[in-house]
Amino acid sequence: GQSLEQPSEVTAVEGAIVQINCTYQTSGFYGLSWYQQHDGGAPTFLSYNALDGLEETGRFSSFLSRSDSYGYLLLQELQMKDSASYFCAVRDDYKLSFGAGTTVTVRA
Amino acid sequence: GAVVSQHPSRVICKSGTSVKIECRSLDFQATTMFWYRQFPKQSLMLMATSNEGSKATYEQGVEKDKFLINHASLTLSTLTVTSAHPEDSSFYICSAPTGTSDYNEQFFGPGTRLTVL
Repeated sequence: GQSLEQPSEVTAVEGAIVQINCTYQTSGFYGLSWYQQHDGGAPTFLSYNALDGLEETGRFSSFLSRSDSYGYLLLQELQMKDSASYFCAVRDDYKLSFGAGTTVTVRA
Repeated sequence: GAVVSQHPSRVICKSGTSVKIECRSLDFQATTMFWYRQFPKQSLMLMATSNEGSKATYEQGVEKDKFLINHASLTLSTLTVTSAHPEDSSFYICSAPTGTSDYNEQFFGPGTRLTVL
């Protein structure tokens, strides 16, 4: 099976940088992805890493270290609209298993 | 990006009735779709994988006779919650990878909030 751990909550001010860590255990690994979900809304895809290293997509970056079974999502230049839940997900074969989610609260 | 729709967005039903939820891929064909349920402030739990033209694959602990899945076309999968009870009240979300995207990148429908009285 799969298990993922990520912090439950993070609070930061506008303009700050937030890093959400995710550690995972999985029998098979085809990638670590990140999704954002606003309250009551659908999850939306942010980024994924299949190989070690950093992927940058605008203000968001994602990092993976397969040897450490670890990744993180970096949110830069935080904006109020970034207040949401962020889920890491590990892909095993064709299925995604999600972490419990990290609630990010951005304060003015 | 690809668009996935769900209908209805919200449904309230009496205990013992059945509810059908539709998931459609609007601008792409989806041979595979996934159904999740999410309780408030919790993670997405995969219920089943819907495969066009064949039987769905259910996750351990999910009753296939209670959650009927039909994937009759390349753009439509349906989830029917049979004999619904209050404990089935949840947020049900479908997703699909597009034919050109890695399965890491899934497109989610807006979800259906089911309340069973």
